[in-house]
Amino acid sequence: QITLRESGPTLVKPTQTLTLTCNFSGFSLSTSGVGVGWLRQPPGKAPEWLALIYWNDDERYNPSLKSRLTIAKDTSKNQVVLRMTNMDPVDTATYYCAHRPSPGGYDPWGQGTLVTVSS
Amino acid sequence: QSALTQPRSVSGSPGQSVTISCTGTSSNVGDYNFVSWYQQHPGKAPKLMIYGVSDRPSGVPDRFSGSKSDNTASLTISGLQPEDEADYYCCSYAGTVVFGGGTKLTVL
Repeated sequence: QITLRESGPTLVKPTQTLTLTCNFSGFSLSTSGVGVGWLRQPPGKAPEWLALIYWNDDERYNPSLKSRLTIAKDTSKNQVVLRMTNMDPVDTATYYCAHRPSPGGYDPWGQGTLVTVSS
Repeated sequence: QSALTQPRSVSGSPGQSVTISCTGTSSNVGDYNFVSWYQQHPGKAPKLMIYGVSDRPSGVPDRFSGSKSDNTASLTISGLQPEDEADYYCCSYAGTVVFGGGTKLTVL
């Protein structure tokens, strides 16, 4: 059974850097074709894809946010970390990490963590 | 303004069929078979229902089916059940991943 869980601060101030950790089990990020992605969903809005890291360290980023994002993995710890710099109130959202199997799509997602950006 | 356009709401009675459309462009829907659909109940994480336009992950009922014609993808739910009431999002992963704005399905 694949599970993922996000952790990190629930409140950050504008201009600060957000660091989120995804701990997962049930699969290995050293398996060919597999990835872990980060997505977010502002309250009442559609999800937005942020970043993806593959088993081979290939990194992909949302072009509109690329300059602010860094994704990294620690295969031995079954962890993926996302850093987002220069946080703004518009970045308030539930942040999810999700398993990206080889065939496509994100399945499953973690339970999500709500991050509020406010001074 | 989402890159993929979905109707804001659809409805149907138990046992009926409904179809949700998702219109994009050739660069994100028409030229590739990289369309997925997600179901989201209130307060829950999205759940993958369809990937690769028409493939179902293990455990998803065959009442859920996907298709595509030109730049429009569609999700059809047959034999509607009360638990199908949820928000549905289409997603293209042809290059940059983009989502539709979502469709609220009401089971009357």
